[in-house]
Amino acid sequence: TQTVSQSDAHVTVFEGDSVELRCNYSYGGSIYLSWYIQHHGRGLQFLLKYYSGNPVVQGVNGFEAEFSKSDSSFHLRKASVHWSDSAVYFCAVRRNNYAQGLTFGLGTRVSVFP
Amino acid sequence: GGIITQTPKFLIGQEGQKLTLKCQQNFNHDTMYWYRQDSGKGLRLIYYSITENDLQKGDLSEGYDASREKKSSFSLTVTSAQKNEMAVFLCASSTGLGVYEQYFGPGTRLTVL
Repeated sequence: TQTVSQSDAHVTVFEGDSVELRCNYSYGGSIYLSWYIQHHGRGLQFLLKYYSGNPVVQGVNGFEAEFSKSDSSFHLRKASVHWSDSAVYFCAVRRNNYAQGLTFGLGTRVSVFP
Repeated sequence: GGIITQTPKFLIGQEGQKLTLKCQQNFNHDTMYWYRQDSGKGLRLIYYSITENDLQKGDLSEGYDASREKKSSFSLTVTSAQKNEMAVFLCASSTGLGVYEQYFGPGTRLTVL
């Protein structure tokens, strides 16, 4: 079975700081990893994905993530956060049964202070 | 672009009541999902549908029914609401299977008194 682990439940940063959100996965099939963001009271929004090629992928709003097969990781980074980046971030891995879509991690809440 | 709408936004029910949540998408996506989101537990898959009139159980289907009578709509029924239950139900759709991102609705927040 596929699993996703996000080691930090809550991260606090100041505006302009960099941030890295950690994601580790276990999956035996063909890799597909993604990150989603959820602002308070809203649904999830897709940020970026990786399934082949360059292990560093760029997403919207300055986010990027790096895939590492050796570490089974797919960490999300942003060089300079804005207050609007305050949200919950979910890492996701494709299920073995593709029709079932994704398995999500428990999420990391990011609080950005001015 | 498209949009996913969920109705109602807030749903308050009584213990034992049958409650229906609705989801509409105008992406023309084949695949649709229902998730339950509880605080601290992430998203759990309740039901999914890979095409019109198809229904498949997810990890948390007990206590729920679903309906996909049209490609654009996917309904979820809580067959007997549990007292003190509180959760957000999220509907999502996707172009297809595999490497496609999911698009989510804003959610329906359920409270059972």
